[in-house]
Amino acid sequence: GDSVTQMEGPVTLSEEAFLTINCTYTATGYPSLFWYVQYPGEGLQLLLKATKADDKGSNKGFEATYRKETTSFHLEKGSVQVSDSAVYFCARNAGGTSYGKLTFGQGTILTVHP
Amino acid sequence: KAGVTQTPRYLIKTRGQQVTLSCSPISGHRSVSWYQQTPGQGLQFLFEYFSETQRNKGNFPGRFSGRQFSNSRSEMNVSTLELGDSALYLCASSLGTDTGELFFGEGSRLTVL
Repeated sequence: GDSVTQMEGPVTLSEEAFLTINCTYTATGYPSLFWYVQYPGEGLQLLLKATKADDKGSNKGFEATYRKETTSFHLEKGSVQVSDSAVYFCARNAGGTSYGKLTFGQGTILTVHP
Repeated sequence: KAGVTQTPRYLIKTRGQQVTLSCSPISGHRSVSWYQQTPGQGLQFLFEYFSETQRNKGNFPGRFSGRQFSNSRSEMNVSTLELGDSALYLCASSLGTDTGELFFGEGSRLTVL
C-alpha cells in the first residue's frame, strides 16, 4: 500500500543553519506530494506541494523537488530561523479522486536555537 | 474567512462510553476528512466525506463512524471506547475536487480512562 518514510528526528539546529529533512514515498500510482507543518498547539498547515515529477514546491524559503527516479521529496531550507521550530510531515495522496486521503510520514521534530 | 472549527477541543471519557466529535468546514468546502494522531502511530486517515457521501475509508474498526450533513458539517462517532482510542482527532476540509490544500482544524483531544 501507500507509505511515506521520513528521516528520524528530532533535528536540532542553530539559527541560520542549512536544513534537510529526507522523505521517500512508495511509487504506486501518480501521487501528489506535500509537506505540512504543525506548530505547537495548532493544527497542520500546508507548507508546500508538488503534483508531478520534477515539480518544485516552495514557500517561506522552504523547497522540495518531486523526484520520481528516487521516489523522494526532501525538504530543504538554506537558513533556518527560531520561528521554524515545529513538526514537519511529508505526505502523499492516494491518486485518482482520493483528494482528502493523505498518507503521512511519522513527522520530524525540528528545534532551532538562537 | 473562518477556519475549520472542531468541537469540543478537549474531552475525557471512560472505557465503554461513546463520543461524538464535530467539525465545521470552511465555507464552500464540500470535503471533510478525519485523521487520528497518536505518538505511536502518527497521523492515520479515518475517512473522507464529500457531498454527504463517504468517499474514502481508512483501516479502522467499525466502532469509528461518521457522517456529513447538507451544510457540509461533519461528525464522527466512536462507540465502545477503548484506552487506545485516546488521541488527537483532526478534521480537514477542502474543495474536494482537485489536489488543493487540506485545511486542518486544531483538533479534539480525547482521553479515555
